[in-house]
Amino acid sequence: GNSVTQMEGPVTLSEEAFLTINCTYTATGYPSLFWYVQYPGEGLQLLLKATKADDKGSNKGFEATYRKETTSFHLEKGSVQVSDSAVYFCALSDRGGSYIPTFGRGTSLIVHP
Amino acid sequence: DVKVTQSSRYLVKRTGEKVFLECVQDMDHENMFWYRQDPGLGLRLIYFSYDVKMKEKGDIPEGYSVSREKKERFSLILESASTNQTSMYLCASPPPQGTNTEAFFGQGTRLTVV
Repeated sequence: GNSVTQMEGPVTLSEEAFLTINCTYTATGYPSLFWYVQYPGEGLQLLLKATKADDKGSNKGFEATYRKETTSFHLEKGSVQVSDSAVYFCALSDRGGSYIPTFGRGTSLIVHP
Repeated sequence: DVKVTQSSRYLVKRTGEKVFLECVQDMDHENMFWYRQDPGLGLRLIYFSYDVKMKEKGDIPEGYSVSREKKERFSLILESASTNQTSMYLCASPPPQGTNTEAFFGQGTRLTVV
């Protein structure tokens, strides 16, 4: 079956530090990959996505590249802000198989001034 | 631009009460899901529905039921609330099978059972 593994948190950084949150996946079909963000007290919202190998998704300074050879979709940002403090979820949707999205467990990011 | 709406942000209920959590989507999606979110456990799928009056159990259906009488509305029911059902509940509407768009989530309902 499908699965998503992401690094455990919390990740604690100072403002302007570089961020990487690792995500790897297993899928039987042809997945699209997503990063969702959940701000405190809110639901999940899409941060970025990539639908095929070597695609790079980007939004709000965050980037992630769909690496089929390493089955990875790591999230990066060059300079984090306090307002980036949130929980980040890596997810996949397998167009060729089950339509049930598969989520990682989430990684909490805390950014200090 | 609201796509998925949950009826309550916060609820406090007593043990043994029957609790209804409501979710409405305006995207004409066939699929609707209920998750619960707990620290360290991520999102766990409770129930999902792929059509009106159709439902399937997810990973943790015990103690819950659902109702889908209309396409836009998916209700989660706690038959007899217990303290271990204190959690954040998220409704989601994933895209149709075969597409590559994202799932849309409601804002969540923080339920406390006392």
